[in-house]
Amino acid sequence: DIQMTQSPSTLSASVGDRVTITCRASQSISSWLAWYQQKPGLAPKLLIYKASILESGVPSRFSGSGSGTEFTLTISSLQPDAFATYYCQQYNSYPYTFGQGTKLEIK
Amino acid sequence: QVTLRESGPALVKPTQTLTLTCTCSGFSLSTSGMCVSWIRQPPGKALEWLARIDWDDDKYYSTSLKTRLTISKDTSKNQVVLAMTNMDPVDTATYYCARIPPTYLPSHAFDIWGQGTMVTVSS
Repeated sequence: DIQMTQSPSTLSASVGDRVTITCRASQSISSWLAWYQQKPGLAPKLLIYKASILESGVPSRFSGSGSGTEFTLTISSLQPDAFATYYCQQYNSYPYTFGQGTKLEIK
Repeated sequence: QVTLRESGPALVKPTQTLTLTCTCSGFSLSTSGMCVSWIRQPPGKALEWLARIDWDDDKYYSTSLKTRLTISKDTSKNQVVLAMTNMDPVDTATYYCARIPPTYLPSHAFDIWGQGTMVTVSS
């Protein structure tokens, strides 16, 4: 199985900050990567797929990049509703696997 | 409006079989390219993909759980069913179903998720 490792596990930031979350795959997954946002008690929400394609309705302050084994999710200017947990997911091969999550907290 | 809704028992005993149903609305499971997966999340932990079923009845399973899982669909009811045998307390989790739309293929990202159903395994 492909292992997905996110860093950091926890990130403290302030409204207006620019933040970056990294996701590394244990082997190349080309660009077959998605990012999700999850708030407490709710289902995950798709933000980005194929590493850099923004899901419809997601604000443009979210962006994704990378290919192969290293990927990033960047939020250009943090808004209050962005404080949540973020997961990456690879779908290059079965079984699909998720990262362990990055919790974005208010500083 | 596209929605998925999970249903099933909130409590099961160890060794029992769990059966969960995902009722889909606003789209058809028979549409070419349509896929539905089950994903679970233990309390306070990360997401874990379990299984996927496609419009043409192809099925895929988690490596570690494949001997315990069976995924199926009823196109007349537009439902996807997941059965998990030999339940254990470590299987306590929120179980989600989620859709992979044909318009995203070959990307297998989950665009719409159900609200999830919490299942506790305890005697």
